[in-house]
Amino acid sequence: VQLVQSGAEVKKPGAAVKVSCKAFGYTFISHGISWVRQAPGQGLEWMGWISTYNGNTDFAQKFQGRVTMTTDTSTSTVYMELRSLRSDDTAVYYCARAGGPYYEILTGYYQTLDFWGQGTLVTVSS
Amino acid sequence: DIQMTQSPSSVSASVGDRVTITCRANQGISSWLAWYQQKPGKAPKLLMYAASSLQSGVPSRFSGSGSGTDFTLTISSLQPEDFATYYCQQANSFPLTFGGGTKVEI
Repeated sequence: VQLVQSGAEVKKPGAAVKVSCKAFGYTFISHGISWVRQAPGQGLEWMGWISTYNGNTDFAQKFQGRVTMTTDTSTSTVYMELRSLRSDDTAVYYCARAGGPYYEILTGYYQTLDFWGQGTLVTVSS
Repeated sequence: DIQMTQSPSSVSASVGDRVTITCRANQGISSWLAWYQQKPGKAPKLLMYAASSLQSGVPSRFSGSGSGTDFTLTISSLQPEDFATYYCQQANSFPLTFGGGTKVEI
């Protein structure tokens, strides 16, 4: 299992960024993808989840209206777009496979994040 | 949202020490808790799921316990490669939430 993310980005405040996460080594539609970010020197913050089976999503309220997650089953790739960027969006963004023996494929419930991408640094600066 | 509180925020220990990290949820989460290890500049790695189940490939010196609101991660005999930051995460409901982290230092 491997998740490979797109490269580092530098964006200006107010812009949007789109990060990709390509999956290898497992049945893509059997596991959703969660996105987690980590600001410099800070802890982990969950942003949201997308089902790769049917495209269902669930987002943290903090990001509602500003984030979009999409899935492309033909390329086993998930995308996360964050808009209206601010300086405090500067962080490493990780995709992680939603899994675990109790993971519910349609709702995303009871997921543990069993494999992670390498992270994508997004820097927001004028 | 379910709030996860870890303690301590940092701990100094030596190779061979037994280390225990605590995670508390502000409401019951049954056994829906995972633990992760993160080393500087790297992605987190899953250690434990369902509070006490060891992820495949993780050394048996790691163990987890608890249910409801109180959980612990124990490293029975600290090894040099275990110096890292550890996070708990509740999997009971959306939004998923993490504890603030515990840094295990020499």
